[in-house]
Amino acid sequence: SQQGEEDPQALSIQEGENATMNCSYKTSINNLQWYRQNSGRGLVHLILIRSNEREKHSGRLRVTLDTSKKSSSLLITASRAADTASYFCATDGGGGSRLTFGEGTQLTVNP
Amino acid sequence: DTAVSQTPKYLVTQMGNDKSIKCEQNLGHDTMYWYKQDSKKFLKIMFSYNNKELIINETVPNRFSPKSPDKAHLNLHINSLELGDSAVYFCASSQRSLVASARRAQTQYFGPGTRLLVL
Repeated sequence: SQQGEEDPQALSIQEGENATMNCSYKTSINNLQWYRQNSGRGLVHLILIRSNEREKHSGRLRVTLDTSKKSSSLLITASRAADTASYFCATDGGGGSRLTFGEGTQLTVNP
Repeated sequence: DTAVSQTPKYLVTQMGNDKSIKCEQNLGHDTMYWYKQDSKKFLKIMFSYNNKELIINETVPNRFSPKSPDKAHLNLHINSLELGDSAVYFCASSQRSLVASARRAQTQYFGPGTRLLVL
């Protein structure tokens, strides 16, 4: 069965607003990663958070991880039209070789 | 200087044909992957090779056969194509952690995708 599930499936906001996407997973993990996919392109790595970390920042991105709830959130602050893309969480149950991706959240930022 | 490249970008073919997709990475990574992304954008791993050795082989029809001539290349050959094979296929690569106990997940670098349409 699928490991990660993103919520919401689709999100539409205005430029300048914050966007929050959630990811839930089922099994124990070592690490969780977030990726972005622009329309018609490959996935691009955004940020990685280890299971012993609770929060991580990178520019306008903030990721939290709650291993007790098996969930993570990605916050994009001060969104821009260029942030329009699909966002995927991916979990790594060990070893680093296998990532299991969630269904993705389609974010639309309206100018 | 593309890090992970795939050819072709688009592939339109008839049912029953055999086709290949090629992938090359110039990042010096040891591990390469093939993923299939369906129309609902669900991304599922198919295969993974580490230094030319198959390490992940998901439940994929044996019509799909990966081949890794060297660690910089991972090709995907598909025999007897079916309508359900229509999808976007992504190649990716990563540097495998040599120390499993380091709990070090590897960032994966994706190619641009190959859009396969079987008619």
